[in-house]
Amino acid sequence: GAVVSQHPSRVICKSGTSVKIECRSLDFQATTMFWYRQFPKQSLMLMATSNEGSKATYEQGVEKDKFLINHASLTLSTLTVTSAHPEDSSFYICSATGGDSHQVSGANVLTFGAGSRLTVL
Amino acid sequence: AQSVTQLGSHVSVSEGALVLLRCNYSSSVPPYLFWYVQYPNQGLQLLLKYTSAATLVKGINGFEAEFKKSETSFHLTKPSAHMSDAAEYFCAVSDNQGGKLIFGQGTELSVKP
Repeated sequence: GAVVSQHPSRVICKSGTSVKIECRSLDFQATTMFWYRQFPKQSLMLMATSNEGSKATYEQGVEKDKFLINHASLTLSTLTVTSAHPEDSSFYICSATGGDSHQVSGANVLTFGAGSRLTVL
Repeated sequence: AQSVTQLGSHVSVSEGALVLLRCNYSSSVPPYLFWYVQYPNQGLQLLLKYTSAATLVKGINGFEAEFKKSETSFHLTKPSAHMSDAAEYFCAVSDNQGGKLIFGQGTELSVKP
């Protein structure tokens, strides 16, 4: 089945540093990846949509210079939180789809990673 | 525009009792609807999805949901709760099966022995 791996699962960093989170599709080519953010006891909020080889599309209110997204290959997208501050502490989850090239029973497959918990001190 | 409302941020049932988690949606196009479960500090696991085929959708772990267009609802049910069902449940809507999802606020399910 479709598997998406996120790394690291947990990261603690100092305020002002940058942190990179990776999202990899292990057994399919992910033409599109989505990045979500989840605060404790809250829902998932879509941050951005990234398509391989093109610039990410950010949701309203998400700072593109703060949250850098790169989707340079069909199996890897990265989210870099630049100059992290304590308010950036959150659970970040990616999901990936292969679109028409990756279907199960005629349906596009959307698979979530296990998430990455970022704590900024 | 699409949106999802989950009624009740917390639901508590006894083991063996019926589970009913409510979800209402708003969509200007025919919706694709999903239910996901999330255990603490983990990602999301798909329980079931509605993709304009049968209105009664059966999922994993004994869960099912019924799409009711007239009520714009997609409530999740399970006849008999198990302790292992305790988790956070999210309803989500999309305009296609592999696209971005709009999530509801989530409902925390507790199961009492």
